[in-house]
Amino acid sequence: DVVMTQSPLSLPVTLGQPASISCRSNQSLVYSDGNTYLNWFLQRPGQSPRRLIYKVSNRNSGVPDRFSGSGSGTDFTLRISRVEAEDVGVYYCMQGTHWPLTFGGGTKVEIK
Amino acid sequence: QVHLVESGGGVVQPGRSLRLSCAASGFTLSSHGMHWVRQAPGKGLEWVAVIWHDGSNKYYADSVKGRFTISRDNSKNTLYLQMNSLRVEDTAVYYCTRDRWDWGQGTLVTVSS
Repeated sequence: DVVMTQSPLSLPVTLGQPASISCRSNQSLVYSDGNTYLNWFLQRPGQSPRRLIYKVSNRNSGVPDRFSGSGSGTDFTLRISRVEAEDVGVYYCMQGTHWPLTFGGGTKVEIK
Repeated sequence: QVHLVESGGGVVQPGRSLRLSCAASGFTLSSHGMHWVRQAPGKGLEWVAVIWHDGSNKYYADSVKGRFTISRDNSKNTLYLQMNSLRVEDTAVYYCTRDRWDWGQGTLVTVSS
């Protein structure tokens, strides 16, 4: 199975400041069709997860442009340009290239 | 608007069975693959199973293979997860999602004696 490793585990941030979360896989996530199926999700406290980013860098409809995804192969990053209070929660990366699908362990973002 | 509503959760003894349902609305179920994902209390997300839009293919996590069965009835706009030989470690909130990763609110399954 593909292992997804996120860092840091916890990320205290100051409102208005940038934040960055890393996600690494132990195998390339490039699929045979040339696409890289790497997603980012946010789970706010008490809520179901919500997808923010798909195929590395594409924002879901309605996701603010302060969220951006980048990376390739086995190394990926989610960036928040200016953290807002509503961004608090646990962020998960997930690979959709190989079966079984696997999630990272999560990064908890909280306000300092 | 996509709407997914899970049901069927509850408290069950180890070794027993439970069937979860996921009622879909706001989109054409038969056009989409569907997943089950679970989350143990206080833990992260674990993918459980997927079924192709027409039911032709299914994949399972190793942790549930041979015990859980995913199925669908497109005529009833409903996804199912039959869970047999339940274990304490199957305790979790179970979410259904479609292949565009819209999520339901989840249903809690507690396996305990």
